[in-house]
Amino acid sequence: QLQLQESGPGLVKPSETLSLTCTVSGGSISSSSYYWGWIRQPPGKGLEWIGSIHYSGSTYYNPSLKSRVTISVHTSKNQFSLKLSSVTAADTAVYYCARGNSPYNWFDPWGQGILVTVSS
Amino acid sequence: QSALTQPASVSGSPGQSITISCTGTSSDVGGYNHVSWYQQHPGKAPKLMIYDVSNRPSGVSNRFSGSKSGNTASLTISGLQAEDEAEYYCASYTSSSTLVFGGGTKLTVL
Repeated sequence: QLQLQESGPGLVKPSETLSLTCTVSGGSISSSSYYWGWIRQPPGKGLEWIGSIHYSGSTYYNPSLKSRVTISVHTSKNQFSLKLSSVTAADTAVYYCARGNSPYNWFDPWGQGILVTVSS
Repeated sequence: QSALTQPASVSGSPGQSITISCTGTSSDVGGYNHVSWYQQHPGKAPKLMIYDVSNRPSGVSNRFSGSKSGNTASLTISGLQAEDEAEYYCASYTSSSTLVFGGGTKLTVL
C-alpha cells in the first residue's frame, strides 16, 4: 500500500531554512487524482496545514506561512519537498507529509512524521 | 483563519456512545461538506476516520460516524472500546481556499 516517509535534519538554527523531503512508495506521485501536502504539529499542540502541491507543480499555501514556504515536486524520484525560511523557535514541530484528494480537504495516508527543532 | 472549536476533552465508559463537536462558521464548516476527522494516538501520525462530513474510509470501523448541522460538525463513536482512547481532530475546507483544523479533543475511555 501507499507509504510516505519524511526525511531531513532534526535540528535547524534560528534564521536558517528548514528543508524536508517526503518519499512516496507503493504508488506514483504523478497520479493526476491526488495532491501532496505538508502538515505540522508543535509539541503538545494541534495540527496546522502548511501547503500542498500537485505533480503538475501547482502549489497551494497557508496564507500565514506563504511568504516563507516553498513546496516542490520531484517526479523522477517520487518525492516532494518543503522549504521553510527564516525559522524561529515557533517553527519547532513534528512535520508530516500526506496524500490529499484535493489541495485542502482530507489527507490519507500520512507519513510517520519528523521532529524538527529550531535551536542554536 | 481561526481554528475550529472542539471540546478539550470527553470521556465515556466501554460500550457507551460519545459525540465530539467541531464548531466553525459559515465560511468553513457551515459552508461546505468538506469536514474530516482524524484519530491520533500518542506519538503516532493522525489517521483519517471520516471525510466529507460522513464518509468512512475503507477499513475504518462503522462504530465511527460523522454528521453536520449548521456550523457544527460532529463525530460519534458508538460501542466505545479501550483502543478508541486518543486525540481527535476535525478539519474543514475554508472559503479562503485553505484547510483549518480544530484544536483537538482528548477522548478518555473510563
